[in-house]
Amino acid sequence: DIQMTQSPSSLPASVGDSVTITCRASENIFSYLNWYQQKPGKAPRLLIYAASNLESGVPSRFSGGGSNTHFTLTIGGLQPEDFGTYYCQHSYYFGQGTHLEI
Amino acid sequence: EVQLVESGGGLVQPGGSLRLSCAASGFTLSNYWIHWVRQVPGKGLVWVARIKSDGFSTTYADSVKGRFTISRDNAENTLYLQMNSLRVEDTAVYYCARDKGSSTPLDTWGQGALVTVSS
Repeated sequence: DIQMTQSPSSLPASVGDSVTITCRASENIFSYLNWYQQKPGKAPRLLIYAASNLESGVPSRFSGGGSNTHFTLTIGGLQPEDFGTYYCQHSYYFGQGTHLEI
Repeated sequence: EVQLVESGGGLVQPGGSLRLSCAASGFTLSNYWIHWVRQVPGKGLVWVARIKSDGFSTTYADSVKGRFTISRDNAENTLYLQMNSLRVEDTAVYYCARDKGSSTPLDTWGQGALVTVSS
C-alpha cells in the first residue's frame, strides 16, 4: 500500500500569513495528488487536483505543486475562513490531515 | 445543482446490517465512478469502496471486503452501500463522493451519514 504522510500535523497561523503544507508519498505517484479542505461537521471540499490544478470556485490564494513523491499546498494570504483540516489524497489513500488553526 | 444526498444511517448492533443510500441530482450517476469514504468523528478520512461507471466493477478496502457491497439503481440515480456483519469499528460518518477524473479527485460529496455500531 502507498503511504501518504503530511506535515505538519498542526499549524498555527495568523490572518495574512502564507503557509505551506507538505505531503509525501511512499512511492512515485507522478502528479496524481489531490488536496481537500474540511471544516468541522462538513464534508471535504476539493481544492486542488492533479497536483497543481485549481478546482473551479476555489480562491486563487490556494496553490499546489510538486510531483513524484513530494507535494505542497500553499495558501497565500490566509483568510479567517481558511481554518480547518487539510488532506492530501492519492487514489484510495489519504494523508492523516493537517489542522490549520487561525 | 450537482448534489449527492446520503440517507440510511443510524444505530445498529454488532453483527447487524444497514443500507446507506446516495441519491444524485444534477448529473447522471452512471457516467461517473463513485466512492464511499468514511470518517470516525475527530479522525481522518478513510477510503472504503468504489464503483466504476460500468456499474459492475467494484473495489473494496480490505477492512470491509466480503461484508460491504456497492450497488446502483440507474432508474433512481441512486447508489447503495449494503453493510453486513457490522463491527464496532465500522462506526463512522460515511460519505459518498463523485470521482471526476484521472487522478481520482472527488469533486462532489454528500453531507455524510452517521453509522453507529453499538450494543
